[in-house]
Amino acid sequence: DVKVTQSSRYLVKRTGEKVFLECVQDMDHENMFWYRQDPGLGLRLIYFSYDVKMKEKGDIPEGYSVSREKKERFSLILESASTNQTSMYLCASSYGGGVNQPQHFGDGTRLSIL
Amino acid sequence: GQQLNQSPQSMFIQEGEDVSMNCTSSSIFNTWLWYKQDPGEGPVLLIALYKAGELTSNGRLTAQFGITRKDSFLNISASIPSDVGIYFCAGQLKFKETSGSRLTFGEGTQLTVNP
Repeated sequence: DVKVTQSSRYLVKRTGEKVFLECVQDMDHENMFWYRQDPGLGLRLIYFSYDVKMKEKGDIPEGYSVSREKKERFSLILESASTNQTSMYLCASSYGGGVNQPQHFGDGTRLSIL
Repeated sequence: GQQLNQSPQSMFIQEGEDVSMNCTSSSIFNTWLWYKQDPGEGPVLLIALYKAGELTSNGRLTAQFGITRKDSFLNISASIPSDVGIYFCAGQLKFKETSGSRLTFGEGTQLTVNP
């Protein structure tokens, strides 16, 4: 089975802090994704990566950056956390060998910014 | 970004009833996916559809890829209490020739099953 592991289930940080969310997958997937999920807004793509050191902006990249130094790990960084970044963050990965490869999700990190 | 229109937004049903939900888009997708999300968990893949017109079953779940490639439906037969959760459709486009694809999600259908 595909295993996508997010480092924290719950996280509380303060406004202005630099926040790191970590995601690791064990299936040698090329593609990795970061989403945020908010009530009434569904899942929105923040950033994605289709290879080591490669990254692409999603639909809502403002206030975030990412790092993909190793194939199995994709980090989401909140440069200076703000209260409007309180949300559920979901990481996903998929195999890159072909176009029709579904994404598999981690259990999410519920982040609160005070 | 692009959104899918998923309906209904919520459903309240009795155990044993059948359920149907659907998604429509103004754009064509080359894959449709259906996910279920339990409270406090990440979405779990239920069914993946790869060809227009395809009808696929997974236990009590049946999903179809619309012939126009712009819609999909999911049916759940003989619902049980553990079917409770949020069901998401997702359309998949190709963003890079040699790699996988980004997803566009519907806003979800919240299903409540009364015992």
